[in-house]
Amino acid sequence: AQSVTQPDIHITVSEGASLELRCNYSYGATPYLFWYVQSPGQGLQLLLKYFSGDTLVQGIKGFEAEFKRSQSSFNLRKPSVHWSDAAEYFCAVGTRQGNLIFGKGTKLSVKP
Amino acid sequence: DAGITQSPRYKITETGRQVTLMCHQTWSHSYMFWYRQDLGHGLRLIYYSAAADITDKGEVPDGYVVSRSKTENFPLTLESATRSQTSVYFCASKGREGTEAFFGQGTRLTVV
Repeated sequence: AQSVTQPDIHITVSEGASLELRCNYSYGATPYLFWYVQSPGQGLQLLLKYFSGDTLVQGIKGFEAEFKRSQSSFNLRKPSVHWSDAAEYFCAVGTRQGNLIFGKGTKLSVKP
Repeated sequence: DAGITQSPRYKITETGRQVTLMCHQTWSHSYMFWYRQDLGHGLRLIYYSAAADITDKGEVPDGYVVSRSKTENFPLTLESATRSQTSVYFCASKGREGTEAFFGQGTRLTVV
């Protein structure tokens, strides 16, 4: 069955520190992969996406993610976290039927 | 304004009542989706539609009805609301297969 796992429910990092949010997926074909961010009380905003080609993709707000087929992973990274990055982050896989399957999310807190 | 809009933003209803959540997009996107977001569950797909007059069940369709007579509208109806349907509901749309989805701001529904 298709699924997305985000192993970390809540992560706290210090401002200026690096960040890595983990995402593993289960999908039979080459996946379309996405990372979305949700600020409190808001909808979801796309950070970045992977469809094909270069396995390291750049997104908005200084985020990047690397697709590793051998590990079925699509981890999100940022070299230096800002206080405004505090939010909830969702990894998603796009299926051939056209829908999106989301992980349960990782809440990021940023310490000053 | 271009985009995807949901209405109402907030709704309180009583158990057993019928309630309809509206979703409208201006891009003429083929695909539209309804998700519910609950603490600890992330976003779960209720129904989706690949085109006008085509709808499919998602992960949690029970108790919900959808229709899509026009490409731009995708209303979600709770025929007889239950407390377990208290949630935040997100509508999304996307173009062809493999593209990213755009989300509305959400509707917070409380069933008392």
